[in-house]
Amino acid sequence: DAGVTQSPTHLIKTRGQQVTLRCSPKSGHDTVSWYQQALGQGPQFIFQYYEEEERQRGNFPDRFSGHQFPNYSSELNVNALLLGDSALYLCASSSQGTYGYTFGSGTRLTVV
Amino acid sequence: KQEVTQIPAALSVPEGENLVLNCSFTDSAIYNLQWFRQDPGKGLTSLLLIQSSQREQTSGRLNASLDKSSGRSTLYIAASQPGDSATYLCAVNTNAGKSTFGDGTTLTVKP
Repeated sequence: DAGVTQSPTHLIKTRGQQVTLRCSPKSGHDTVSWYQQALGQGPQFIFQYYEEEERQRGNFPDRFSGHQFPNYSSELNVNALLLGDSALYLCASSSQGTYGYTFGSGTRLTVV
Repeated sequence: KQEVTQIPAALSVPEGENLVLNCSFTDSAIYNLQWFRQDPGKGLTSLLLIQSSQREQTSGRLNASLDKSSGRSTLYIAASQPGDSATYLCAVNTNAGKSTFGDGTTLTVKP
């Protein structure tokens, strides 16, 4: 039973560029949440997708957007990258109404 | 706005000690609380999930308690081992599915 899969594992981008991160949820899960984790801090909630719609959003600018596909996988897009966007991006999946989260290993994004 | 605080930020103990990690939250209207372990540069591994109606959960050498009224949870680790060295995070979840994390406690268990 595959857990949460994220790709790529590492990424280096230049300021101003755009990036797309991908997440496949654990089998049987229908809800995907994205988090940003800066070094030495806890994960910060970006947004959550369920039934292909954004259901909840944290305090992140519109440069951060996402999508969920019919197979429940999800993408996180970040436009106009800033140096401060450098972080570990974590995807978590769950079943709607249970909220016991399973996390992926994350994508380490470095903006130079 | 929910705020989650974990104390201490770092802890170093000799192997074999029992220890307690603390998590406090400001809004008691939670759906559940989850403890995670994170190794350096890695993702989060779920340790224990406590529903709001529960008082505690146990898994092996780990025991987590929840006191919603006081806004506190503790993670008890018995007979600590060097392999327990990691950062431990608690997350408070609302019934709308939003999670708020603390900044974690970094545990070092010395052989």
